[in-house]
Amino acid sequence: DAGVTQSPTHLIKTRGQHVTLRCSPISGHKSVSWYQQVLGQGPQFIFQYYEKEERGRGNFPDRFSARQFPNYSSELNVNALLLGDSALYLCASSLIGTPSSGNTIYFGEGSWLTVV
Amino acid sequence: GNSVTQMEGPVTLSEEAFLTINCTYTATGYPSLFWYVQYPGEGLQLLLKATKADDKGSNKGFEATYRKETTSFHLEKGSVQVSDSAVYFCALSDQTGANNLFFGTGTRLTVIP
Repeated sequence: DAGVTQSPTHLIKTRGQHVTLRCSPISGHKSVSWYQQVLGQGPQFIFQYYEKEERGRGNFPDRFSARQFPNYSSELNVNALLLGDSALYLCASSLIGTPSSGNTIYFGEGSWLTVV
Repeated sequence: GNSVTQMEGPVTLSEEAFLTINCTYTATGYPSLFWYVQYPGEGLQLLLKATKADDKGSNKGFEATYRKETTSFHLEKGSVQVSDSAVYFCALSDQTGANNLFFGTGTRLTVIP
């Protein structure tokens, strides 16, 4: 079975531009989350979506937005890119939207964003 | 609030050496605890987890025990291999609200032959 798939794998953008990152969860998983991993640090939670509704939001500015589609895939959008947005953006999926002992979170390989 | 403090790296060991990577946490309630591993150029993979106090998670020779009294979840392996070279992240899920993880800063392990 396919795991969490993300696209594109690498991209370079200029300051002030907009970027859209895409994610397909594991088949049957209804929850998708996004994380930002700056070089040398641990991932930081940005958003969680479950059944097309936002379930959680981390401490990120309004330039960051996301949505989930009826097929449970998701997009992360970042407007007015800053140099500091350069990072690995990870998508994760899980079966359900709430924490529970059996609800493991699985990660994709990420999208490397470089802002110049 | 929730936070994870990890032993700072990098850690360099010879093959077959014993590995310990320390992890302590602060959380509200009763979190689940995880170790994720990130191999070069790849995303995060779940290595092991423990969901309640005194649980021991284990996988691929790695072990970690959920210690509520010391708020710790240290990762151990008795004999490391070159293929274990990666970055290891300790994380917690606080079992409330959104299903999100709080990560430590990661510990880079390099195993030399």
